[in-house]
Amino acid sequence: QVQLQESGPGLVRPSQTLSLTCNVSGGSINSDYYWSWIRQTPGKGLEWIGYVYYNGNTYYNPSLKSRIHMSVDTAKNQFSLKLTSMTAADSALYYCARESVTNNWFDPWGQGTLVTVSS
Amino acid sequence: NFVLTQPHSVSESPGKTVTISCTGNSGSIVSNFVQWYQQRPGSAPTTVIYEGIQRPSGVPDRFSGSIDSSSNSASLTISGLQAEDEADYFCQSYDDRNRVFGGGTKLTVL
Repeated sequence: QVQLQESGPGLVRPSQTLSLTCNVSGGSINSDYYWSWIRQTPGKGLEWIGYVYYNGNTYYNPSLKSRIHMSVDTAKNQFSLKLTSMTAADSALYYCARESVTNNWFDPWGQGTLVTVSS
Repeated sequence: NFVLTQPHSVSESPGKTVTISCTGNSGSIVSNFVQWYQQRPGSAPTTVIYEGIQRPSGVPDRFSGSIDSSSNSASLTISGLQAEDEADYFCQSYDDRNRVFGGGTKLTVL
């Protein structure tokens, strides 16, 4: 059973870059799935950030595209998110999730990691 | 901007049936896959319906999904409500290649 686990700093200073990693266990990242990042805030609900495919191909949410970089490390079976120029509006619970290419549903999700932007 | 609109909250008694709607403001919700996620407090979302009407293994058949092309909407119906069904429910679909979520509906089982 595939499990995902996010890791990264809980606190980021304004204007800095957020770096998060999602470790994949119980299955290979070298498979026909999109590896996604999604965030959740009380005010804006769930927001899809983007995905990376095992070959490195990416697609990002157009509203965040200029600030995002995603990558995959097949040797470590993990994928990563970098989000630049962080502001308070980026404070959220960040999830990684696997999306089926064929059935288009997110499953499983990681437990989520809370990121707060504050000086 | 493609927006999926859900009721903010619904409530119903145990054993009854409740339906949650998800309406798209443009495009065709029929031609794009619609997923429904259940999120209990303190937990990550889990899928209860995918591709509009399909149920993942392990999800009770009390959960069902439907699509109404005339109103460009999808619905999640939960029958035989149980206390454990109390949760937030989110719909999700696509705008071109962008994944879009509805604002979520809080289901209270009275």
